Amino acid sequence: NAGVTQTPKFQVLKTGQSMTLQCAQDMNHNSMYWYRQDPGMGLRLIYYSASEGTTDKGEVPNGYNVSRLNKREFSLRLESAAPSQTSVYFCASSSREGTEAFFGQGTRLTVV
Amino acid sequence: GIQVEQSPPDLILQEGANSTLRCNFSDSVNNLQWFHQNPWGQLINLFYIPSGTKQNGRLSATTVATERYSLLYISSSQTTDSGVYFCAVEGLGGTSYGKLTFGQGTILTVHP
Repeated sequence: NAGVTQTPKFQVLKTGQSMTLQCAQDMNHNSMYWYRQDPGMGLRLIYYSASEGTTDKGEVPNGYNVSRLNKREFSLRLESAAPSQTSVYFCASSSREGTEAFFGQGTRLTVV
Repeated sequence: GIQVEQSPPDLILQEGANSTLRCNFSDSVNNLQWFHQNPWGQLINLFYIPSGTKQNGRLSATTVATERYSLLYISSSQTTDSGVYFCAVEGLGGTSYGKLTFGQGTILTVHP
């Protein structure tokens, strides 16, 4: 049972490049989330998906798009990367609202 | 949205000492979790505790939902307890429903 799996673990992008961060969970969870963590700070919500086919903005959605491809997968896309998007990105999932959330191991993204 | 405040921001202990970490939140909650972020950046679930008291080995947690705070107790601390401890809450309604909001964390350093 892998839990929440994120790929890649590390990535370096040049300003203006695009990329997609992948996340998959094998716990049959309905809700999935993308967070970012900047140095010395807590995690901030970028986007979340309460169920397959639905997505909603979190606290810091600008510069990102998401796709809930199916119940298992939730991807985060940077269309034109900026240095301000240098961060560690975490994907999470939970069964539904109000239940325990589980996090992936994170993707460390550097934009130069 | 819901506000989460953790204290203290930093804590330095000698191995074997006990400590209490506090999490205050500004509204009624549907979910409260404590996480440990280890030096490798991994987020480890410690407790899912929207109310009541739980214990797991040397760690225990209490949430008093009516007074809007939670406490994490670490007894007989070990060097492996070092890292950042996060409290995260999900509000019962409004814009906070269905989304975990993180505090800024408590950085714990345990010296041998």
